[in-house]
Amino acid sequence: QVQLVQSGAEVKKPGASVKVSCKASGYTFTSYDINWVRQAAGQGLEWMGWMNPNSGNTGYVQKFQGRVTMTRDPSISTAYMELSGLRSEDTAVYYCTSGVYPKKFDYWGQGTLVTVSS
Amino acid sequence: SYELTQPPSVSVSPGQTASITCSGDKLGDKYTWWYQQKPGQSPVLVIYQNSKRPSGIPERFSGSNSGNTATLTISGTQAMDEADYYCEAWDSNTEVFGSGTKVTVL
Repeated sequence: QVQLVQSGAEVKKPGASVKVSCKASGYTFTSYDINWVRQAAGQGLEWMGWMNPNSGNTGYVQKFQGRVTMTRDPSISTAYMELSGLRSEDTAVYYCTSGVYPKKFDYWGQGTLVTVSS
Repeated sequence: SYELTQPPSVSVSPGQTASITCSGDKLGDKYTWWYQQKPGQSPVLVIYQNSKRPSGIPERFSGSNSGNTATLTISGTQAMDEADYYCEAWDSNTEVFGSGTKVTVL
C-alpha cells in the first residue's frame, strides 16, 4: 500500500532553515507529483507548492517564493521541502501529499511539526 | 486571489443529513475536492471532481457543484463523521482550500 513517511518534529530559531523529508513507498516514486500543505494550530490547510519527482520541476505559491525549495532524491524515493528565513508564523504541521489526478491528494504523510521559537 | 468560503460549523443529529457548503466565484465552472480531517490526523480525500467517491469512502458521502456553490452532503450521519471538512479547488495555477467546517454530531 502507498505510504508517505515524514521526518520528525523540528524546533528552529527565527531566521533559520528547516528541511522536511517525505519518503514514499508502495508505488513508483516518479509517477505522482508531490505537494506540500501546511496547517497552523487550529487553522486551515494551506497549499505551498508542488514538485514533479521525475523531472524535478516545481511550482510554488507566490507567498513562499524565494523561501521554499522542493527537491527530491529518486534513488531513495524521498522528497524534501526546505523553508528558509523562518518566522514564528511558520510554526505549523507540514504535510506531503500525493496522488494521480484526479485523486491528486489521495495519500498524505503523517505530518511534521515545525516550531519556530527563540 | 481566489477564495473559498465555508461555514465555520455545522451541527447534525445522528442519522440526519449534514450539508456543508463551499462558495466561490463561478465555482461551478471548476472541479471541487473535499477532505475530512479528524483531530490529530492527516486529511482524507472523501470526494473528488465534485461528486466522485474514492474507494473505501462510505456511500453516505456525496457531493455536488453548481453556480457559485459546492456542497458536501453526509446522509445518515454517524458519530464517526464528526470532523473538520475542507473544500478545495484549482484556480490560476494555485490549489485553494476553503476555510474549513467543523461538523459536530450531537
